Amino acid sequence: EIVLTQSPGTLSLSPGERATLSCRASQSVSSSYLAWYQQKPGQAPRLLIYGASSRATGIPDRFSGSGSGTDFTLTISRLEPEDFAVYYCQQYGSSPQAFGGGTKVEIK
Amino acid sequence: QVQLQESGPGLVKPSETLSLTCAVSGYSISSGYYWGWIRQPPGKGLEWIGSIYHSGSTYYNPSLKSRVTISVDTSKNQFSLKLSSVTAADTAVYYCARGGLRYFDSDYYFDYWGQGTLVTVSS
Repeated sequence: EIVLTQSPGTLSLSPGERATLSCRASQSVSSSYLAWYQQKPGQAPRLLIYGASSRATGIPDRFSGSGSGTDFTLTISRLEPEDFAVYYCQQYGSSPQAFGGGTKVEIK
Repeated sequence: QVQLQESGPGLVKPSETLSLTCAVSGYSISSGYYWGWIRQPPGKGLEWIGSIYHSGSTYYNPSLKSRVTISVDTSKNQFSLKLSSVTAADTAVYYCARGGLRYFDSDYYFDYWGQGTLVTVSS
């Protein structure tokens, strides 16, 4: 079973800054089957990235995903006010699929 | 536009069975896809519970497998979750969501989600 560890737990940044979120897997993620979600308080998660680097429909290009093997990164190039939220990674390359513990991006 | 809506009791007693239904609109379940359940304890992260293919094949998280049953009713375009012998640790917001299109996409990302429903386990 693959365990995903996200870091940092909390990222304090200002609007306009660049955010770099990490997701590390305990074993290699097959075929880069890694997704990223954004969740705001009281809302369901929203799919941002799948296949490690493909943006989901309607996702702004300031969101980008990269990585392979055991190390993956979500980058938000310039933080907009609506980007402050919790972000989760999910691996779906090995059974059972699993989510990371999340990174909270908060306003500094 | 695909929409999902969870429904069911918000309060369940310990040792009883939690039952939830997810109604799907904007897409016919019988046409394809896996349909899944994910939960989130208050203030915590996401946990995949299980998924069902439109044909009825199921796939469960091993950590919950002994207590979980997921079924589909294509005539009503909905699918359901039953979780038996619940304890306070099962208190969570329960989400339904759409997973992979193909039969071998049992592990997949979720592109459409319901709004979630809070289920509290308490006497």
